[in-house]
Amino acid sequence: AQSVTQLDSHVSVSEGTPVLLRCNYSSSYSPSLFWYVQHPNKGLQLLLKYTSAATLVKGINGFEAEFKKSETSFHLTKPSAHMSDAAEYFCVVSGPGGGADGLTFGKGTHLIIQP
Amino acid sequence: NAGVTQTPKFRILKIGQSMTLQCTQDMNHNYMYWYRQDPGMGLKLIYYSVGAGITDKGEVPNGYNVSRSTTEDFPLRLELAAPSQTSVYFCASSSSGGINTGELFFGEGSRLTVL
Repeated sequence: AQSVTQLDSHVSVSEGTPVLLRCNYSSSYSPSLFWYVQHPNKGLQLLLKYTSAATLVKGINGFEAEFKKSETSFHLTKPSAHMSDAAEYFCVVSGPGGGADGLTFGKGTHLIIQP
Repeated sequence: NAGVTQTPKFRILKIGQSMTLQCTQDMNHNYMYWYRQDPGMGLKLIYYSVGAGITDKGEVPNGYNVSRSTTEDFPLRLELAAPSQTSVYFCASSSSGGINTGELFFGEGSRLTVL
Protein backbone atom coordinates (compact mmCIF):
# COMPACT_ATOMS: atom_id res chain seq x y z
CA ALA A 1 0.00 0.00 0.00
CA GLN A 2 1.14 3.54 -0.60
CA SER A 3 0.16 6.93 0.76
CA VAL A 4 1.05 10.55 0.23
CA THR A 5 0.89 13.46 2.66
CA GLN A 6 0.96 17.09 1.65
CA LEU A 7 2.16 18.86 4.75
CA ASP A 8 0.46 22.23 4.14
CA SER A 9 -3.13 22.78 3.07
CA HIS A 10 -2.39 26.45 2.26
CA VAL A 11 0.85 28.27 1.40
CA SER A 12 1.05 32.04 0.91
CA VAL A 13 4.09 33.77 -0.62
CA SER A 14 4.80 37.16 -2.11
CA GLU A 15 5.32 37.55 -5.84
CA GLY A 16 9.01 37.15 -6.69
CA THR A 17 9.87 35.06 -3.58
CA PRO A 18 10.62 31.31 -3.54
CA VAL A 19 7.89 28.68 -3.39
CA LEU A 20 8.14 25.44 -1.38
CA LEU A 21 5.29 22.91 -1.36
CA ARG A 22 6.01 19.86 0.78
CA CYS A 23 5.11 16.26 0.06
CA ASN A 24 6.01 13.09 1.94
CA TYR A 25 5.19 9.61 0.72
CA SER A 26 5.01 6.11 2.09
CA SER A 27 5.64 3.10 -0.10
CA SER A 28 6.89 -0.47 0.22
CA TYR A 29 8.60 -0.32 -3.19
CA SER A 30 10.36 2.26 -5.38
CA PRO A 31 7.54 4.60 -6.33
CA SER A 32 6.93 6.96 -9.20
CA LEU A 33 5.93 10.42 -8.01
CA PHE A 34 4.20 13.32 -9.71
CA TRP A 35 3.04 16.87 -9.14
CA TYR A 36 -0.13 18.12 -10.78
CA VAL A 37 -1.47 21.70 -10.85
CA GLN A 38 -5.13 22.72 -10.95
CA HIS A 39 -6.02 26.30 -11.82
CA PRO A 40 -9.45 27.59 -10.77
CA ASN A 41 -12.31 25.85 -12.57
CA LYS A 42 -9.90 23.81 -14.67
CA GLY A 43 -8.78 20.21 -14.84
CA LEU A 44 -5.47 18.96 -13.47
CA GLN A 45 -2.29 19.31 -15.52
CA LEU A 46 0.94 17.38 -15.05
CA LEU A 47 3.77 19.63 -13.79
CA LEU A 48 6.54 17.06 -13.48
CA LYS A 49 7.25 13.40 -12.76
CA TYR A 50 9.90 11.24 -11.11
CA THR A 51 10.27 7.69 -12.45
CA SER A 52 13.58 6.43 -10.95
CA ALA A 53 15.89 8.40 -13.22
CA ALA A 54 17.48 11.68 -12.06
CA THR A 55 16.43 12.62 -8.53
CA LEU A 56 16.13 16.33 -9.42
CA VAL A 57 13.25 16.70 -11.81
CA LYS A 58 12.46 19.82 -13.81
CA GLY A 59 8.94 20.59 -14.90
CA ILE A 60 6.97 23.24 -16.69
CA ASN A 61 6.77 26.92 -15.70
CA GLY A 62 10.06 26.87 -13.77
CA PHE A 63 9.03 24.30 -11.16
CA GLU A 64 11.29 21.50 -10.00
CA ALA A 65 11.19 18.76 -7.39
CA GLU A 66 13.79 16.61 -5.69
CA PHE A 67 13.23 12.98 -4.79
CA LYS A 68 14.88 12.16 -1.44
CA LYS A 69 14.54 8.50 -0.59
CA SER A 70 16.14 8.85 2.85
CA GLU A 71 13.54 11.46 3.81
CA THR A 72 10.67 9.92 1.78
CA SER A 73 10.02 13.37 0.38
CA PHE A 74 9.27 14.94 -2.99
CA HIS A 75 9.01 18.66 -2.34
CA LEU A 76 8.07 21.09 -5.13
CA THR A 77 10.01 24.33 -5.50
CA LYS A 78 10.22 27.41 -7.68
CA PRO A 79 12.82 30.17 -7.25
CA SER A 80 10.50 33.10 -7.93
CA ALA A 81 6.71 33.03 -7.65
CA HIS A 82 4.51 34.61 -10.29
CA MET A 83 0.89 35.65 -9.91
CA SER A 84 -0.09 33.00 -12.47
CA ASP A 85 1.22 30.28 -10.11
CA ALA A 86 -1.79 30.74 -7.83
CA ALA A 87 -3.52 27.35 -7.98
CA GLU A 88 -4.07 24.03 -6.20
CA TYR A 89 -1.16 21.58 -6.32
CA PHE A 90 -1.42 17.82 -5.89
CA CYS A 91 1.33 15.36 -5.08
CA VAL A 92 0.63 11.88 -6.50
CA VAL A 93 2.27 8.49 -5.98
CA SER A 94 1.94 5.58 -8.38
CA GLY A 95 1.38 2.03 -7.25
CA PRO A 96 3.55 -0.95 -8.24
CA GLY A 97 3.45 -1.69 -11.93
CA GLY A 98 1.76 1.62 -12.65
CA GLY A 99 -1.68 0.06 -12.98
CA ALA A 100 -4.70 2.05 -14.05
CA ASP A 101 -6.06 2.12 -10.50
CA GLY A 102 -2.70 2.68 -8.84
CA LEU A 103 -2.51 6.45 -8.41
CA THR A 104 -2.93 7.92 -4.93
CA PHE A 105 -3.54 11.67 -4.76
CA GLY A 106 -2.62 13.92 -1.87
CA LYS A 107 -5.25 16.26 -0.47
CA GLY A 108 -3.78 19.28 -2.20
CA THR A 109 -1.96 22.50 -1.28
CA HIS A 110 -3.56 25.81 -2.14
CA LEU A 111 -0.86 28.27 -3.25
CA ILE A 112 -1.68 31.95 -2.74
CA ILE A 113 0.50 34.63 -4.33
CA GLN A 114 0.48 38.03 -2.65
CA PRO A 115 1.19 41.04 -4.92
CA ASN B 1 -7.27 19.92 -30.41
CA ALA B 2 -10.00 19.44 -27.79
CA GLY B 3 -8.36 16.80 -25.55
CA VAL B 4 -10.87 15.58 -22.92
CA THR B 5 -14.34 17.15 -23.06
CA GLN B 6 -16.92 16.82 -20.29
CA THR B 7 -20.57 17.84 -20.30
CA PRO B 8 -22.42 19.32 -18.54
CA LYS B 9 -20.17 21.70 -16.59
CA PHE B 10 -22.81 22.32 -13.93
CA ARG B 11 -25.92 20.45 -12.88
CA ILE B 12 -28.35 20.50 -9.97
CA LEU B 13 -30.26 17.29 -9.23
CA LYS B 14 -33.01 16.44 -6.81
CA ILE B 15 -32.59 13.44 -4.51
CA GLY B 16 -33.56 10.27 -6.37
CA GLN B 17 -33.07 11.65 -9.87
CA SER B 18 -30.69 10.05 -12.36
CA MET B 19 -28.32 11.57 -14.86
CA THR B 20 -25.36 10.84 -17.10
CA LEU B 21 -22.10 12.79 -17.20
CA GLN B 22 -20.61 12.65 -20.66
CA CYS B 23 -16.88 12.35 -21.40
CA THR B 24 -15.16 12.13 -24.76
CA GLN B 25 -11.50 12.27 -25.76
CA ASP B 26 -9.92 12.75 -29.17
CA MET B 27 -6.39 11.50 -28.38
CA ASN B 28 -7.08 7.82 -29.14
CA HIS B 29 -6.19 6.93 -25.55
CA ASN B 30 -7.00 3.43 -24.36
CA TYR B 31 -7.25 4.29 -20.66
CA MET B 32 -10.06 6.46 -19.29
CA TYR B 33 -11.02 7.30 -15.71
CA TRP B 34 -13.66 8.99 -13.62
CA TYR B 35 -12.64 10.75 -10.42
CA ARG B 36 -14.54 12.76 -7.87
CA GLN B 37 -13.01 15.67 -6.02
CA ASP B 38 -14.33 16.76 -2.66
CA PRO B 39 -12.98 19.81 -0.79
CA GLY B 40 -9.75 19.04 1.05
CA MET B 41 -9.88 15.37 0.04
CA GLY B 42 -7.89 15.09 -3.18
CA LEU B 43 -9.21 12.90 -5.99
CA LYS B 44 -10.85 9.51 -5.56
CA LEU B 45 -11.14 7.02 -8.44
CA ILE B 46 -14.71 5.94 -9.20
CA TYR B 47 -14.33 3.73 -12.28
CA TYR B 48 -11.76 3.19 -14.97
CA SER B 49 -11.47 1.50 -18.35
CA VAL B 50 -8.44 0.05 -20.12
CA GLY B 51 -10.16 -0.16 -23.50
CA ALA B 52 -13.49 -0.37 -25.30
CA GLY B 53 -15.74 -2.96 -23.68
CA ILE B 54 -13.68 -3.18 -20.47
CA THR B 55 -14.47 -1.36 -17.24
CA ASP B 56 -13.51 -1.85 -13.61
CA LYS B 57 -14.30 -0.38 -10.20
CA GLY B 58 -12.08 2.09 -8.48
CA GLU B 59 -12.02 3.14 -4.85
CA VAL B 60 -15.54 4.64 -4.60
CA PRO B 61 -17.86 3.01 -7.18
CA ASN B 62 -21.09 2.73 -5.17
CA GLY B 63 -23.99 4.64 -6.71
CA TYR B 64 -22.36 4.93 -10.13
CA ASN B 65 -22.22 2.97 -13.37
CA VAL B 66 -20.11 3.29 -16.51
CA SER B 67 -19.91 1.89 -20.01
CA ARG B 68 -17.23 2.01 -22.70
CA SER B 69 -18.67 1.15 -26.09
CA THR B 70 -16.08 3.18 -28.05
CA THR B 71 -12.49 4.30 -27.49
CA GLU B 72 -13.60 7.94 -27.42
CA ASP B 73 -16.51 7.92 -24.97
CA PHE B 74 -16.77 7.00 -21.28
CA PRO B 75 -20.07 8.16 -19.75
CA LEU B 76 -20.71 8.04 -16.01
CA ARG B 77 -24.26 7.38 -14.84
CA LEU B 78 -25.61 8.32 -11.45
CA GLU B 79 -28.64 6.31 -10.38
CA LEU B 80 -30.87 7.57 -7.55
CA ALA B 81 -28.82 10.66 -6.75
CA ALA B 82 -28.01 11.29 -3.10
CA PRO B 83 -26.60 14.39 -1.33
CA SER B 84 -23.35 12.44 -0.75
CA GLN B 85 -22.80 12.56 -4.51
CA THR B 86 -22.49 16.34 -4.48
CA SER B 87 -18.98 16.80 -5.83
CA VAL B 88 -16.85 17.85 -8.77
CA TYR B 89 -16.36 15.03 -11.24
CA PHE B 90 -13.33 14.74 -13.49
CA CYS B 91 -12.85 12.53 -16.49
CA ALA B 92 -9.28 11.74 -17.52
CA SER B 93 -7.48 9.68 -20.12
CA SER B 94 -4.00 8.32 -20.75
CA SER B 95 -2.17 6.34 -23.39
CA SER B 96 -1.21 2.76 -22.62
CA GLY B 97 2.28 3.93 -21.83
CA GLY B 98 1.06 7.03 -20.04
CA ILE B 99 -0.38 5.22 -17.10
CA ASN B 100 3.04 3.82 -16.29
CA THR B 101 4.38 7.35 -16.14
CA GLY B 102 1.35 8.85 -14.40
CA GLU B 103 0.52 11.33 -17.13
CA LEU B 104 -3.22 11.74 -17.18
CA PHE B 105 -5.07 14.29 -19.30
CA PHE B 106 -8.05 15.79 -17.50
CA GLY B 107 -11.26 17.43 -18.57
CA GLU B 108 -12.36 20.67 -16.94
CA GLY B 109 -14.79 18.99 -14.58
CA SER B 110 -18.53 18.70 -13.99
CA ARG B 111 -19.87 20.30 -10.81
CA LEU B 112 -22.86 18.36 -9.49
CA THR B 113 -25.12 19.42 -6.63
CA VAL B 114 -27.77 17.08 -5.22
CA LEU B 115 -30.50 18.76 -3.16
